[in-house]
Amino acid sequence: EDQVTQSPEALRLQEGESSSLNCSYTVSGLRGLFWYRQDPGKGPEFLFTLYSAGEEKEKERLKATLTKKESFLHITAPKPEDSATYLCAVQKWSNTGKLIFGQGTTLQVKP
Amino acid sequence: DVKVTQSSRYLVKRTGEKVFLECVQDMDHENMFWYRQDPGLGLRLIYFSYDVKMKEKGDIPEGYSVSREKKERFSLILESASTNQTSMYLCASSLAGATRGTQYFGPGTRLTVL
Repeated sequence: EDQVTQSPEALRLQEGESSSLNCSYTVSGLRGLFWYRQDPGKGPEFLFTLYSAGEEKEKERLKATLTKKESFLHITAPKPEDSATYLCAVQKWSNTGKLIFGQGTTLQVKP
Repeated sequence: DVKVTQSSRYLVKRTGEKVFLECVQDMDHENMFWYRQDPGLGLRLIYFSYDVKMKEKGDIPEGYSVSREKKERFSLILESASTNQTSMYLCASSLAGATRGTQYFGPGTRLTVL
């Protein structure tokens, strides 16, 4: 069965304390892995797409990496404005654009 | 910038009412999607459309229908709203094609059914 699991469910960091969020997946035929950021009461905002193992992408304090089994979202020296829920999703070659989402990791960064 | 808009941010309806949620995208995307998001259950796909007048059921289509008469517009219809359809509804769109699967989301509609 296709599955996407994110850990931890919730993460509290002090401002400046770097950490990583994990997204592990079991799907046959990965087309792409997507990271989104979602603020409370709003729609998810696209961050990154990763297509193949070994690929990395960066945006400000965020860096996403991909292996054959999992993806990490590394947050370097986070700020309070990085507080949000981070969603991971995978797309299969056979799925006509559909995404399979994980449950998300809610990050809180305290000043 | 990709822009996906939804007709209402908040909506309150009565049980049994017919409810229309509308989504419009301005990027000429072929694919459009409707999700609902509930605490502990994540995002679940209700319906999607890969072309005008084409639709496919997602994981939880029961109690919903959709309409896509124009490429830019995708409507979700609750034929007879029930309290268990109280949720956050999210619309998304994406380009078709092998390497263009990124979905862009609207701001969401928080629907409460009383």
